[in-house]
Amino acid sequence: KQEVTQIPAALSVPEGENLVLNCSFTDSAIYNLQWFRQDPGKGLTSLLLIQSSQREQTSGRLNASLDKSSGRSTLYIAASQPGDSATYLCAVRRWGTSYGKLTFGQGTILTVHP
Amino acid sequence: DAGITQSPRHKVTETGTPVTLRCHQTENHRYMYWYRQDPGHGLRLIHYSYGVKDTDKGEVSDGYSVSRSKTEDFLLTLESATSSQTSVYFCAISESWEASEQYFGPGTRLTVT
Repeated sequence: KQEVTQIPAALSVPEGENLVLNCSFTDSAIYNLQWFRQDPGKGLTSLLLIQSSQREQTSGRLNASLDKSSGRSTLYIAASQPGDSATYLCAVRRWGTSYGKLTFGQGTILTVHP
Repeated sequence: DAGITQSPRHKVTETGTPVTLRCHQTENHRYMYWYRQDPGHGLRLIHYSYGVKDTDKGEVSDGYSVSRSKTEDFLLTLESATSSQTSVYFCAISESWEASEQYFGPGTRLTVT
């Protein structure tokens, strides 16, 4: 059974700092990994999708990397801003799941203070 | 943002009553999913659909049923609501299993008293 763990559970940083969020998974036979952002009381916003054949994806100040062999992904946020404050979730999809079932981590609560 | 709406957005109901939640999409995506989100459990898949009238169970399907009579609508029904079904329910869509990026709706907060 796939298990996804996110460390740390919460992170508080001053504005402008570069930061890294971690996601680890137990089964390396994944199809892809997706990073989401969730604001309080809101739905999930897709940030980045990394296919199993890729090593990283970039979108603006966000960079996500994937190392299947070690079962790890990192989300790098450059020059953090108070507007980045949210819960960040990673989710993996295993090979063989034709319907696209995602297994989610518990999330990292990020607070960026001015 | 992907065109996904959920209704109602908030609902309070009593134990034993039936409840239906609706997910509506304007993206013409084939796959639709219902998840629930609970503290300590994260997001868990309840049911999913891979086409009109094609549905199957997820990991926490007991007490729930679904229907999909049109591409754009996916209904989740709690036949007899229980307090353990108090949760936030999210609908998600994806264009295909190959593409598989999932887009989520705004959620429905359901409280069963």
